[in-house]
Amino acid sequence: GAVVSQHPSRVICKSGTSVKIECRSLDFQATTMFWYRQFPKQSLMLMATSNEGSKATYEQGVEKDKFLINHASLTLSTLTVTSAHPEDSSFYICSPRATRPSNEQYFGPGTRLTVT
Amino acid sequence: RKEVEQDPGPFNVPEGATVAFNCTYSNSASQSFFWYRQDCRKEPKLLMSVYSSGNEDGRFTAQLNRASQYISLLIRDSKLSDSATYLCVATDSWGKLQFGAGTQVVVTP
Repeated sequence: GAVVSQHPSRVICKSGTSVKIECRSLDFQATTMFWYRQFPKQSLMLMATSNEGSKATYEQGVEKDKFLINHASLTLSTLTVTSAHPEDSSFYICSPRATRPSNEQYFGPGTRLTVT
Repeated sequence: RKEVEQDPGPFNVPEGATVAFNCTYSNSASQSFFWYRQDCRKEPKLLMSVYSSGNEDGRFTAQLNRASQYISLLIRDSKLSDSATYLCVATDSWGKLQFGAGTQVVVTP
């Protein structure tokens, strides 16, 4: 199956700092990248969708200036949480969609962010 | 109203027994449906797609009822390793995945 890596897997940071999460598709190319977050006992919520080389499209209620997404290549996307606050503590999961003809959507192993 | 709703459970199931649960979706335009499995603190993993005619994959059977807008999952001969949270997923009008909050299944010896 397709391999997706996410780094770091776990991070603890102080309030006000920024955290960058990297997502790589290791054995396939992804034109589209989805970023989700999941709070305890809640569903995965889509934060934003990005296409390689284009600006990300953010879901309603997600601040684009706070959650910076870069999708510079077909195998790498980053999510930067700027000026993190305790309420940003969550499980962040990237999900690359493979290029055609597969179009299959895969999931990274997730990054658990704790903001103190 | 949530796009996809599930009974959070937990469903406590003796090993070897059968368990079934549903989820409902609100968007009648949803085209594709899936069941994902999520273990504690892990990413979701695709369990199976759900087809209109119903489909089976080993001990797992999925059904789709478009008229009533619900999807079901049945697990036969439950194994301890089936303990997990099962996420119901429907696509929205743009093909994006909409996740339910999950149904927890606990299989006991």
